[in-house]
Amino acid sequence: ELKVEQNPLFLSMQEGKNYTIYCNYSTTSDRLYWYRQDPGKSLESLFVLLSNGAVKQEGRLMASLDTKARLSTLHITAAVHDLSATYFCAVDPGGSEKLVFGKGTKLTVNP
Amino acid sequence: DTGVSQDPRHKITKRGQNVTFRCDPISEHNRLYWYRQTLGQGPEFLTYFQNEAQLEKSRLLSDRFSAERPKGSFSTLEIQRTEQGDSAMYLCASSPLAGGLYNEQFFGPGTRLTVL
Repeated sequence: ELKVEQNPLFLSMQEGKNYTIYCNYSTTSDRLYWYRQDPGKSLESLFVLLSNGAVKQEGRLMASLDTKARLSTLHITAAVHDLSATYFCAVDPGGSEKLVFGKGTKLTVNP
Repeated sequence: DTGVSQDPRHKITKRGQNVTFRCDPISEHNRLYWYRQTLGQGPEFLTYFQNEAQLEKSRLLSDRFSAERPKGSFSTLEIQRTEQGDSAMYLCASSPLAGGLYNEQFFGPGTRLTVL
């Protein structure tokens, strides 16, 4: 059974700092998704990563995928308060249409 | 607005009652998914439809849960004899035509269920 682990689960950082969120998964997959969720709201799609070495950037967020290591990272550059949210990675295990989500990383950016 | 919509947004019910939720997917998305999310957890897959056919169900989906998508458009999720453990956010998502390169799913706002 596919397991998806994120760390850290909680992250408090200051504005202007950089940090990385890690997403490890247990079985082979080359399709990984990052979502953002604000409190009480639904999930917003951030990135779709489809192959080994894929890198996507949007504003202060950059996501990468290493399928050999079964690892994806979400790097935050010069954090701002508006990035405060919970970030989920989700893996498409193939052979099934469901997504398997990690527990999420709750990010708080302090002034 | 052409996103995924869900109704109601909030539902409070007493234990033992039946509840039904509705999801309207993005127009022309033929895949529709239901997930459940509890506090502090990621969404967990419940079931999915391709057009009107229910193709996969999680073992999380007990006999008290049933989902339909009668005409391949909107879907309903019914929970019978609700239990306090059913309290959660129920999320619906849709994705485009099967056979695409990837399966990006677009989520609705969710229905928050509270069972007293």
